[in-house]
Amino acid sequence: EAEVAQSPRYKITEKSQAVAFWCDPISGHATLYWYRQILGQGPELLVQFQDESVVDDSQLPKDRFSAERLKGVDSTLKIQPAELGDSAMYLCASNPPGTETGELFFGEGSRLTVL
Amino acid sequence: GDSVTQMEGPVTLSEEACLTINCTYTATGYPSLFWYVQYPGEGLQLLLKATKADDKGSNKGFEATYRKETTSFHLEKGSVQVSDSAVYFCALDSNYQLIWGAGTKLIIKP
Repeated sequence: EAEVAQSPRYKITEKSQAVAFWCDPISGHATLYWYRQILGQGPELLVQFQDESVVDDSQLPKDRFSAERLKGVDSTLKIQPAELGDSAMYLCASNPPGTETGELFFGEGSRLTVL
Repeated sequence: GDSVTQMEGPVTLSEEACLTINCTYTATGYPSLFWYVQYPGEGLQLLLKATKADDKGSNKGFEATYRKETTSFHLEKGSVQVSDSAVYFCALDSNYQLIWGAGTKLIIKP
């Protein structure tokens, strides 16, 4: 069964360092999402792509976060510099064409710990 | 704005007990509603959905009915198993963006 691939699974870094997360959605899924999930809370949308274009990045802290999906396939989310409050699970999801917004396929996530 | 409220957890039950996890929402219009499940160490998975009032979503023995009059989408299962231990999230589609509840942790004891 096709899956959304994410790496790394775990990342520990010191504050002020740069971190990057990678996501490869299910083949054919044009819509890709990055979410942040703080322990004990629901996911919070950071950015949504349709192919290579950003559809919604209104909740992305653009002073330190950036996201790209250059060829409309895989995507990278970067944080520079990392802050203590960025410790969270970063989730990538994709959405098959012709399905509802809420029918998402998630990766296993990348857990970030900032020391 | 639109919002989702779930019952706080953890919910602890014995195996074969009946389960209800409450979810209520506030929304303009009639959004689609979803339940997602997150098993330990795994990613979120869509469990079931309902797209209009009185629709019943079902999967893996779980059910939820879209109740417009009470703005609710409670998750139910008649007999839970240890393998159902997970965190359950209720969500709604608000203008093509998902609004999530905080999640309810379910612990099933053998």
